Amino acid sequence: AQSVTQPDIHITVSEGASLELRCNYSYGATPYLFWYVQSPGQGLQLLLKYFSGDTLVQGIKGFEAEFKRSQSSFNLRKPSVHWSDAAEYFCAVNSGGYQKVTFGTGTKLQVIP
Amino acid sequence: NAGVMQNPRHLVRRRGQEARLRCSPMKGHSHVYWYRQLPEEGLKFMVYLQKENIIDESGMPKERFSAEFPKEGPSILRIQQVVRGDSAAYFCASSSGQENGNTIYFGEGSWLTVV
Repeated sequence: AQSVTQPDIHITVSEGASLELRCNYSYGATPYLFWYVQSPGQGLQLLLKYFSGDTLVQGIKGFEAEFKRSQSSFNLRKPSVHWSDAAEYFCAVNSGGYQKVTFGTGTKLQVIP
Repeated sequence: NAGVMQNPRHLVRRRGQEARLRCSPMKGHSHVYWYRQLPEEGLKFMVYLQKENIIDESGMPKERFSAEFPKEGPSILRIQQVVRGDSAAYFCASSSGQENGNTIYFGEGSWLTVV
């Protein structure tokens, strides 16, 4: 069965600093991978997705993520964090076909001045 | 607004009452998903529906919860005889149902409070 692990529950970074949020998945074949962001009281917004091809994918708001099959990881990165990036970030995996999308437990990002 | 529409955004119910949450998928999408989010917890899958068909209901509680997606109209998540533990945010998402790369898009959520 597919699963996703986000090992960091909370992360605090200074504004302007770089950011990396970790995500590890469990699935036998090549998964479809996603990152979503959720602001308080809001729904989830898709940041980026990986299906195939180039393992470094670019998303909205200056985010990128890299798929590493050998490490079963899909970490989210941003070179310089802005205060407006404070939110909760969810990694998700889908095994393709008519399968549900499984989410990690999320990482809450706090940005300090 | 061509996005996923959920209503009501906020719903208060007394214990024992019924809650009905509605979801209209994004235009062109025929697949709907319901997820539940409890405070300090992640998103828990509940059910995956196609029009007039339940594809996967492995996350639905066995009692009191039901979901439908009729040929016409929105998808409905129904919770009968609500209890305090049902208080949560319920998110609907939709997709086009393409076999590969099933990208889902979320609505803004329905917050249920049971008093």
